[in-house]
Amino acid sequence: EAQVTQNPRYLITVTGKKLTVTCSQNMNHEYMSWYRQDPGLGLRQIYYSMNVEVTDKGDVPEGYKVSRKEKRNFPLILESPSPNQTSLYFCASRPGGRLTEAFFGQGTRLTVV
Amino acid sequence: AQKVTQAQTEISVVEKEDVTLDCVYETRDTTYYLFWYKQPPSGELVFLIRRNSFDEQNEISGRYSWNFQKSTSSFNFTITASQVVDSAVYFCALSDAMNTGFQKLVFGTGTRLLVSP
Repeated sequence: EAQVTQNPRYLITVTGKKLTVTCSQNMNHEYMSWYRQDPGLGLRQIYYSMNVEVTDKGDVPEGYKVSRKEKRNFPLILESPSPNQTSLYFCASRPGGRLTEAFFGQGTRLTVV
Repeated sequence: AQKVTQAQTEISVVEKEDVTLDCVYETRDTTYYLFWYKQPPSGELVFLIRRNSFDEQNEISGRYSWNFQKSTSSFNFTITASQVVDSAVYFCALSDAMNTGFQKLVFGTGTRLLVSP
């Protein structure tokens, strides 16, 4: 089954404790992105990647890192989480070439206390 | 810069009513795509439709229909004979070539639809 898989689905952590949210897709898509969803703000792009070893900042990259060492994986790293990073996070992928719809993971609800 | 406005924060209807969710977008690009996604209470994002800027034909899919009007920069979504299962948050989104190279979706703030029995 074609899918984008994020882990974990839920995470509660403390300020400053490094964490990684994993994202994996099995559709051989070139493009992958991370978004965060906050009430009243919709979804905003954090980082995106056009292919292996090619990443760039989105609209709200501060406090986040990403890497794309393999085509299928695009982890989101929070080196020192803060409470303002409490949010619902979505990973998305889509094929390269002409624009198609993005496929989203199930979401990761992160709480930083 | 691009922008998507969903002015309706929340809409409540009774089952079988028709409901229209509004979406107004801004872009200076002539090549762009518009999307609608559904987010049910379980939280995932479900793709509903994609429309490119060169195709103003309206679309109908079962109880769902979309009205794309470039003259008013709108891409409205109508659910006919709403059902309880339609209760969700609906997001309109835009992606264009000029500002983002199609590398991101710019989302509206979403409209929460509550359909009661």
